[in-house]
Amino acid sequence: TAGITQAPTSQILAAGRSMTLRCTQDMRHNAMYWYRQDLGLGLRLIHYSNTAGTTGKGEVPDGYSVSRANTDDFPLTLASAVPSQTSVYFCASSDSNTQNSPLHFGNGTRLTVT
Amino acid sequence: AQSVAQPEDQVNVAEGNPLTVKCTYSVSGNPYLFWYVQYPNRGLQFLLKYITGDNLVKGSYGFEAEFNKSQTSFHLKKPSALVSDSALYFCAVREDYKLSFGAGTTVTVRA
Repeated sequence: TAGITQAPTSQILAAGRSMTLRCTQDMRHNAMYWYRQDLGLGLRLIHYSNTAGTTGKGEVPDGYSVSRANTDDFPLTLASAVPSQTSVYFCASSDSNTQNSPLHFGNGTRLTVT
Repeated sequence: AQSVAQPEDQVNVAEGNPLTVKCTYSVSGNPYLFWYVQYPNRGLQFLLKYITGDNLVKGSYGFEAEFNKSQTSFHLKKPSALVSDSALYFCAVREDYKLSFGAGTTVTVRA
């Protein structure tokens, strides 16, 4: 069972360049999320999607955009990367929008912006 | 807005001893609380949750957590820690569609 697949595993990106982090789930979950993990700050929500066709902003959305064209895919795009976007990015999903549903996480993408 | 605090950056215990990882929360409504564990270079794995009912919640790998409404706490516990429990632990609270995490506590269990 794959669960959530993130690609690439890691990437070094020059400042000013654009990049799309890919996320695919095979669990048919309605809700999907993007978090970034930084030392001492835990995980912070960037964007989320309650269902295909809808997206919403999290705590730290600036500099990022998402789309949700279908249930399975939730790509995260950095239009013009900056060094402060160096982080580990995690995609997650949950099987409903109810508050008692746990999130399932991918293994992350480690991004370094130089 | 909801939030959680994990007051300890690190917890060190000897194998076989009890393990406690502390968490306090703040929510405007009913709390929906979760614990996750993260091993190196991996995503977070769900351990347990509190929604309603018994204050003592049992989860995966022998972990349990005690919900205390008066102290707004949700501490993670394990009666006898293993070296393999060494990892990063996150407490989280969910409100609406958003799950908010604490900063994490690194647990080291020495043999």
